[in-house]
Amino acid sequence: GESVGLHLPTLSVQEGDNSIINCAYSNSASDYFIWYKQESGKGPQFIIDIRSNMDKRQGQRVTVLLNKTVKHLSLQIAATQPGDSAVYFCAENNYGQNFVFGPGTRLSVLP
Amino acid sequence: NAGVMQNPRHLVRRRGQEARLRCSPMKGHSHVYWYRQLPEEGLKFMVYLQKENIIDESGMPKERFSAEFPKEGPSILRIQQVVRGDSAAYFCASSQGAGTYGYTFGSGTRLTVV
Repeated sequence: GESVGLHLPTLSVQEGDNSIINCAYSNSASDYFIWYKQESGKGPQFIIDIRSNMDKRQGQRVTVLLNKTVKHLSLQIAATQPGDSAVYFCAENNYGQNFVFGPGTRLSVLP
Repeated sequence: NAGVMQNPRHLVRRRGQEARLRCSPMKGHSHVYWYRQLPEEGLKFMVYLQKENIIDESGMPKERFSAEFPKEGPSILRIQQVVRGDSAAYFCASSQGAGTYGYTFGSGTRLTVV
């Protein structure tokens, strides 16, 4: 069945460094992907999305890369700040009606 | 322009009681999704509803759980005869359409069964 997984369950980075969070997906038919950020005690918050006809998309301080050949998705955060500390989830959809979420990566920003 | 509203934020129930979780979607959104999240885990899909219709309930446990989205009022996730294993955060999300639209999530209801 469909599954989304993450290579690293936890990630610690120094403030100011760049962060890279990875995600592997198994359904080659998935055509739409979203990264969400979840802070403690809150609901997931949309960060950035990408469709399967693209391999890169940039937002403010964030970039999502999609490699369909190896079914890999990554989220890059530039100049990581303390406010970036959270759990990050990737989610995939294949023209279906719901998204499949990965287990999440906890990002800790060290002072 | 309120977002997705969920209430209550926290709910404590004794084993065997009923839990009712409410979700009001964003204005203009007619698609509602419920997800469950266990501590330190990802979100698991439960059910997808449109007004007065259950579209996909493939993630719902077969017993004790039900959901509705009436023509008027919020969507309701109902858990009967709660057990300790039902303790989790339940998130509601809404969207303008299915599949190719991203979700907007509420802040969740944290259910604790004692």
